[in-house]
Amino acid sequence: GAVVSQHPSWVICKSGTSVKIECRSLDFQATTMFWYRQFPKQSLMLMATSNEGSKATYEQGVEKDKFLINHASLTLSTLTVTSAHPEDSSFYICSAQGSGNYNEQFFGPGTRLTVL
Amino acid sequence: KNEVEQSPQNLTAQEGEFITINCSYSVGISALHWLQQHPGGGIVSLFMLSSGKKKHGRLIATINIQEKHSSLHITASHPRDSAVYICALRIQGAQKLVFGQGTRLTINP
Repeated sequence: GAVVSQHPSWVICKSGTSVKIECRSLDFQATTMFWYRQFPKQSLMLMATSNEGSKATYEQGVEKDKFLINHASLTLSTLTVTSAHPEDSSFYICSAQGSGNYNEQFFGPGTRLTVL
Repeated sequence: KNEVEQSPQNLTAQEGEFITINCSYSVGISALHWLQQHPGGGIVSLFMLSSGKKKHGRLIATINIQEKHSSLHITASHPRDSAVYICALRIQGAQKLVFGQGTRLTINP
C-alpha cells in the first residue's frame, strides 16, 4: 500500500513553455500533498503544501504565479511550471499524506525537468 | 545551528560491513523518518519512528527521544545499499518535514 506516482518521470521543454506534472496517490486518499524541488547533491526543498479543495500554501521565496498547484481531488495534485526557464530545471518530487495508517508522507518517484 | 544534523556526511565501506548512520536534532518532534534516495532516483521511505526501534529486513532504526538522537543500521551491507540516506523530522504541531543533509553511502564489492 501507500503508492504515489508521478507523471511524467522526465520532461524536456523549450524555454517559455509551460509544463504540468501530476502526482497521484494510487491506493489511499491524500488530504495533503507536498511539492519539493531538489538540485543536484542537495536536500529537498519544500515548495508548497496543498490541502484538497483549498489553495496551496507556498514557502517563502516560491512564486505562486510561476508554480501553479492544483489539488482538486483526494488522489490528484498537479504542479504547473509556467513560462519555464533554464533555471527551473530541477528534480521535482511530490509526497502525499492521508489519515489513519496513511498519516505520514509517502513520496513519489520524482520528475526530472530540463528546460532548454 | 541546524535543527537536524546527520553524520557522517559520506561513508564508504566494504560489502558485508555493519553500517551506522546517525541523526541528532534539537527540536521537539512528533515523528522521525529515514528516507533512501538512489542516484537520480526518487525517495523511498524506510521507516517512520516516534519511539523505540523498528526492523525491516537488514535495516534497523532506533530513536531515543530524551537524547534527541536516532540511528539507522544496515547489517550485512551490499553494493545495492549504496544511496543517500536522509533523516527527516516532523516537528510537533507542524505538517512539513525538516530534512537533514543526507549521508552518502557507498558499499564496495
